[in-house]
This record gives sequence, C-alpha cells and structure tokens, in this order.
Amino acid sequence: EAGVAQSPRYKIIEKRQSVAFWCNPISGHATLYWYQQILGQGPKLLIQFQNNGVVDDSQLPKDRFSAERLKGVDSTLKIQPAKLEDSAVYLCASSVVRGDTQYFGPGTRLTVL
Amino acid sequence: KNEVEQSPQNLTAQEGEFITINCSYSVGISALHWLQQHPGGGIVSLFMLSSGKKKHGRLIATINIQEKHSSLHITASHPRDSAVYICAVGSARQLTFGSGTQLTVLP
Repeated sequence: EAGVAQSPRYKIIEKRQSVAFWCNPISGHATLYWYQQILGQGPKLLIQFQNNGVVDDSQLPKDRFSAERLKGVDSTLKIQPAKLEDSAVYLCASSVVRGDTQYFGPGTRLTVL
Repeated sequence: KNEVEQSPQNLTAQEGEFITINCSYSVGISALHWLQQHPGGGIVSLFMLSSGKKKHGRLIATINIQEKHSSLHITASHPRDSAVYICAVGSARQLTFGSGTQLTVLP
C-alpha cells in the first residue's frame, strides 16, 4: 500500500514570496490533516479535512495560509506572502476516518530567508 | 502549561541499555499515540493505546488513564533507534502533540 506522498521535499524562498505544498493521501482515507512543525516543537494542526470539507481550521493563519482539497483526494497548502516565522516542516497526514490512526507523509521542509 | 508534557527532552544511551520515555497529559483523551520521527521529518506511528500495555518487538508502551501518564520503553536499544519520539493525545477531533524526546543511542 502506498503511503502519504508530499512534494516538494524541500523549498527555500525569500520572505514575501508565495509557496505551495502538495499532498496525496492514502487511497480511501477520508480525513486529511496539515500540520506545521517548527524546529524543536511537536506538530501543530493547521487544518483538517473530511473528504473535501473543512472540519477544523481554527489554528490556520487565514490572512496568509489557505488550503483546499478538491474532489476529496489531493490537497494543497499555500502560503502567501511568506514570513520568516513560517520556516518549518509541513506535514500531511491521512486517516480512514476522524480519530483513527494517522499516517504521515515525509514532510516538506520550508526555509524562508 | 502544555497539555502534553514529555520527559526527558534529550536522552543519550549506550547500545543495549533499557530506555524509558515518559508522557503526561492534562486533557481528556480517547487514545494516546507514540510516534517516531527520523531526521528529515517523516513520522511513523508506533502505538495507539487507550488502556493497559502494548508490545511490538523491542518496544513497549503503557498507559495509566487514572494518572494521565504513559511510558514508552525500548529494550536492548540499538543505534538505529536514534530518533525523536513524540507522544500525542487524541480526542475525536484532533491530536495534541508533545514536543518530543530526542534519543541518541551510541554504539
């Protein structure tokens, strides 16, 4: 069974630029999560989708971050414009249903200069 | 006060040693997860437990619901066990993560 795929693996941008991350969850998983993990900290949930609907985006900085999951499969997370403090690993995870075991992708390491 | 506290933050051990990592939490949960994160970011789920004890190979996880405490044990540790171990507590809505324990096992 293929795991959660993410791309790119690494991205370096300058502040005020835009960036987008892509996630392809495990086939058949209805729930998809985006996390932000700053160095030395645990992951923080940014947004949670159930199929193509948003379940929880309470910790998403909506002035600069946006995410979508069209057709309830792949998802993209966008930052526009990026700030220095956005430097982190962005993790995507999926689960069969909410509350079930989450399977994580390899993450995208973003560096904002 | 963080909802999930792990100790120690950093742990260095010699190969073969018995290792214990602790996790305390302050919120009501439906399950507790232990995760392993290697350099580069990828996370692997080790255990999900809501009571008692689970064992997988050299790894053992226990949870005491009344005391809101869990431990992850590694027997006969090996350098390949070097990673960050993260405790996360789950409700029906989401997981709340600890900040992780950096384990280094020296040969």
